[in-house]
Amino acid sequence: QKEVEQNSGPLSVPEGAIASLNCTYSDRVSQSFFWYRQYSGKSPELIMSIYSNGDKEDGRFTAQLNKASQYVSLLIRDSQPSDSATYLCAVNFGGQFYFGTGTSLTVIP
Amino acid sequence: GAVVSQHPSRVICKSGTSVKIECRSLDFQATTMFWYRQFPKQSLMLMATSNEGSKATYEQGVEKDKFLINHASLTLSTLTVTSAHPEDSSFYICSARTRTGSMEQFFGPGTRLTVL
Repeated sequence: QKEVEQNSGPLSVPEGAIASLNCTYSDRVSQSFFWYRQYSGKSPELIMSIYSNGDKEDGRFTAQLNKASQYVSLLIRDSQPSDSATYLCAVNFGGQFYFGTGTSLTVIP
Repeated sequence: GAVVSQHPSRVICKSGTSVKIECRSLDFQATTMFWYRQFPKQSLMLMATSNEGSKATYEQGVEKDKFLINHASLTLSTLTVTSAHPEDSSFYICSARTRTGSMEQFFGPGTRLTVL
């Protein structure tokens, strides 16, 4: 059973703070990991992909991967109200994506 | 780049009718397309994987005779919901993967299906 788990939230942070989103997965073989943002009523939008252990930074977003702990996280620095959305973690198992249930983030002005 | 479109964006139909949803990759060739379904406040559930020129691979529990998938070209895949019922009402989203070997998937805007 391939499992991807996220805290459903909701997670609330004040504007300008760092939002930290976490994801764990069950399969040690997985090699690629993705974070998507989904606004209500819209389809997911790719934010970050990460393939190797460590940190990957892109603007205000940093993805962190620890394969030994089967853990991937997303940090959002200087959070903005426009970052309020559901964030989906996706793990590639054998060419298919399996999604977590998503974490709802609200950035409070 | 990597733009995926879906049509229609919203459809309302009567119970028992069939509905076709198109998914197109606009600026790239997609060897593989995926069809997902998302119920309110739930995550994406993969329904099937579609490879150009071959039969789709369906996830466990998804009826292949009810959800017909045709991947006729490298830029077009269609999902037909046959004999739709109210419980089929959902948000259907396709995604596509490029030919470059990257594992990233790019999603279409989704189709909101309501079956009366």
